Amino acid sequence: ILNVEQSPQSLHVQEGDSTNFTCSFPSSNFYALHWYRWETAKSPEALFVMTLNGDEKKKGRISATLNTKEGYSYLYIKGSQPEDSATYLCALYGNKLVFGAGTILRVKS
Amino acid sequence: EAQVTQNPRYLITVTGKKLTVTCSQNMNHEYMSWYRQDPGLGLRQIYYSMNVEVTDKGDVPEGYKVSRKEKRNFPLILESPSPNQTSLYFCASSPQLAGGSGQYFGPGTRLTVT
Repeated sequence: ILNVEQSPQSLHVQEGDSTNFTCSFPSSNFYALHWYRWETAKSPEALFVMTLNGDEKKKGRISATLNTKEGYSYLYIKGSQPEDSATYLCALYGNKLVFGAGTILRVKS
Repeated sequence: EAQVTQNPRYLITVTGKKLTVTCSQNMNHEYMSWYRQDPGLGLRQIYYSMNVEVTDKGDVPEGYKVSRKEKRNFPLILESPSPNQTSLYFCASSPQLAGGSGQYFGPGTRLTVT
């Protein structure tokens, strides 16, 4: 089973801070890397799907990069807001879609 | 409205009583999947389907069955539920996993087995 690791496990930041977290995976032999945002009491919502080394995607204040050679993806949030508080999941699609355990982000106002 | 629906949303049942959780999507997606979410364990895949009549085991398939007789529906069947299947279940669909916009998740089904 492909091992997808996310760090840190949880993160507390102040409103306005920029932050980032990591998704690590051991193999470059995969088709795509997904990022999802999961707010409490809601369903996971897709943010990005990335496929190529060097891919960079952006949605508002959130962006993500992919480095397939070194086996990681970063998710960045610029100027965090309380509504960004959620669990952020990455998932790797090889022969199956395997999720990491997630990074819990709490933004204090 | 494009959506994934699950029914029921909440269910309390007893050990051994067969149940089915339905999942339906109206987006003509080929890929559908079931996950369970347990505290501290994240999302774990139960079964997935790449297309009609094609299903495969995920990471935790024991105690579950699925079928994909038509594109829009992907029911999850628990033939003899046990308390360790108490969990929050999500169904998801996607046109493809190797690109596009990712999976669309249903609202979740909270199952309690006593």
